Amino acid sequence: KNEVEQSPQNLTAQEGEFITINCSYSVGISALHWLQQHPGGGIVSLFMLSSGKKKHGRLIATINIQEKHSSLHITASHPRDSAVYICAVNGNKLVFGAGTILRVKS
Amino acid sequence: DTEVTQTPKHLVMGMTNKKSLKCEQHMGHRAMYWYKQKAKKPPELMFVYSYEKLSINESVPSRFSPECPNSSLLNLHLHALQPEDSALYLCASSQGQGADGYTFGSGTRLTVV
Repeated sequence: KNEVEQSPQNLTAQEGEFITINCSYSVGISALHWLQQHPGGGIVSLFMLSSGKKKHGRLIATINIQEKHSSLHITASHPRDSAVYICAVNGNKLVFGAGTILRVKS
Repeated sequence: DTEVTQTPKHLVMGMTNKKSLKCEQHMGHRAMYWYKQKAKKPPELMFVYSYEKLSINESVPSRFSPECPNSSLLNLHLHALQPEDSALYLCASSQGQGADGYTFGSGTRLTVV
């Protein structure tokens, strides 16, 4: 079993829809990261969480340390949100989930 | 400056060539990382430098040779690569062990022919 599991693997949404991507982890962590990667591009850090909830624009990230689970929400999704979203956890090193491929159709 | 800059953006090299990838940051970060990412896969850690010293080598073949000339620069020297080494090579930096987050570069797309 992978240390970091993401779901779904693929997600197609219609513009304007509310989107949720989930991440579960099985190791002790000091922080959890949500990252965004556009096709062929570098990685952008969206959030770093160690507890609670963070919001930036239309993006919201939450974490439940006891349940070892985090969610990334996108409100009023837009085609420019189409990208791969990666959950990564800080243990001894950064451990990545497999990523969720999001496509938002107009 | 809040960026990690990687050059070149694209590189095509033959199996007998020697080339280098460069990574630069001016955020005062003391840890720098090389990752390799194959298509549709998450990044895989290759090397970690902490305070300009190599602290982690994830059993990377010797045809990849990292170098950290100073706290702002990280190089990856490439020699006698194989076609399966073709990938996106990402550099990242962090203040400590990532407790304050990571900053990633946009990567070098390497093709070995």
